[in-house]
Amino acid sequence: AQKVTQAQTEISVVEKEDVTLDCVYETRDTTYYLFWYKQPPSGELVFLIRRNSFDEQNEISGRYSWNFQKSTSSFNFTITASQVVDSAVYFCALSESPMDSNYQLIWGAGTKLIIKP
Amino acid sequence: DTEVTQTPKHLVMGMTNKKSLKCEQHMGHRAMYWYKQKAKKPPELMFVYSYEKLSINESVPSRFSPECPNSSLLNLHLHALQPEDSALYLCASSQGRLTINEKLFFGSGTQLSVL
Repeated sequence: AQKVTQAQTEISVVEKEDVTLDCVYETRDTTYYLFWYKQPPSGELVFLIRRNSFDEQNEISGRYSWNFQKSTSSFNFTITASQVVDSAVYFCALSESPMDSNYQLIWGAGTKLIIKP
Repeated sequence: DTEVTQTPKHLVMGMTNKKSLKCEQHMGHRAMYWYKQKAKKPPELMFVYSYEKLSINESVPSRFSPECPNSSLLNLHLHALQPEDSALYLCASSQGRLTINEKLFFGSGTQLSVL
């Protein structure tokens, strides 16, 4: 069973629209971390956010916001007033007990976001 | 300076060639990683070095040979590769000993084509 599910393979919106990227995860651990990374066409993965399992406070960073809900095992990412530069593949990832994952990040399949001018 | 530098950016090699990928970081990070990424897929972990010692080898074929000469450098030596090894090879680093909350800093990768 997939441990990190990003059900949206590709999303296309017009610039200035708001867009939400979904991430649903599965773990039996009580201590875990969730991440979002951005991969623009240049190829470099860029860290966006890290959230631990004990901190359900939502976070806002400029036009970016994240909604962590343990009750639904979701860690969704919203871009407000999207811009063409936001076009990229976005990955959600889970880090859980090393006994389960050997320090590996468990990656979602990624969501390709296309922002049209 | 928050940069991981990878060279070359592109590499084309034949199945009998020997080549090396290089990665360098000057952030004082003590863990370095090699990932392989096929098109439209997430990255797959290959190797992790922590304090210059190989800590994780994810059952990677021996035609890939990692080397960590010092805390700033990471190499991936390639020999007798197969066409299916064509992919984007990403290097990453993180601050310290392996933990589950490590934030990774990635290079922009080497796009490898094996003919």
